[in-house]
Amino acid sequence: QKEVEQDPGPLSVPEGAIVSLNCTYSNSAFQYFMWYRQYSRKGPELLMYTYSSGNKEDGRFTAQVDKSSKYISLFIRDSQPSDSATYLCAMSGAGNQFYFGTGTSLTVIP
Amino acid sequence: ETGVTQSPTHLIKTRGQQVTLRCSSQSGHNTVSWYQQALGQGPQFIFQYYREEENGRGNFPPRFSGLQFPNYSSELNVNALELDDSALYLCASSFGGANGYTFGSGTRLTVV
Repeated sequence: QKEVEQDPGPLSVPEGAIVSLNCTYSNSAFQYFMWYRQYSRKGPELLMYTYSSGNKEDGRFTAQVDKSSKYISLFIRDSQPSDSATYLCAMSGAGNQFYFGTGTSLTVIP
Repeated sequence: ETGVTQSPTHLIKTRGQQVTLRCSSQSGHNTVSWYQQALGQGPQFIFQYYREEENGRGNFPPRFSGLQFPNYSSELNVNALELDDSALYLCASSFGGANGYTFGSGTRLTVV
């Protein structure tokens, strides 16, 4: 079993739609949860960071962490064509290693 | 200077050869991590360096080695290249904390 599972998609939505991206994990020691956005031929860019359980909102983006279910989500409201990218979830415990999902490819159609 | 810079951007090597990839950390960052991202996959942790010492290693064989220099720049060396080593190699630097990592754009290595 992989440490982190993420549906690779691809996901295609019309502009303005609400997008929901999800990851599950197996290691209960994870306490730091991140979402990265990766454009083609670029490195990952940190979008959201959450410590432990709870919700965090930043503009059109909301991250949710449910440690009891080992489930994290990223919601994108009013999606824009510029949001088209691959979204990677990542998590870590007390150590220095990040565990990434495989990434979900998102296309927002104008 | 801001951001993480990696060189070269693209590289083609023959199986069995050796390769060195370079990373210039973001100013003020003393920690650097290297990741391997195969096509269609998420990045996999190779190792991390903190103040010139290896500070954690993922599930990669010893032919993957690294260095961090006093100016906190870093190298990733891979010996005896295999076809499966073809991937995007990402460097990420940090001053500490899980939310403090900045990734470079990567070096795309193709082994033929």
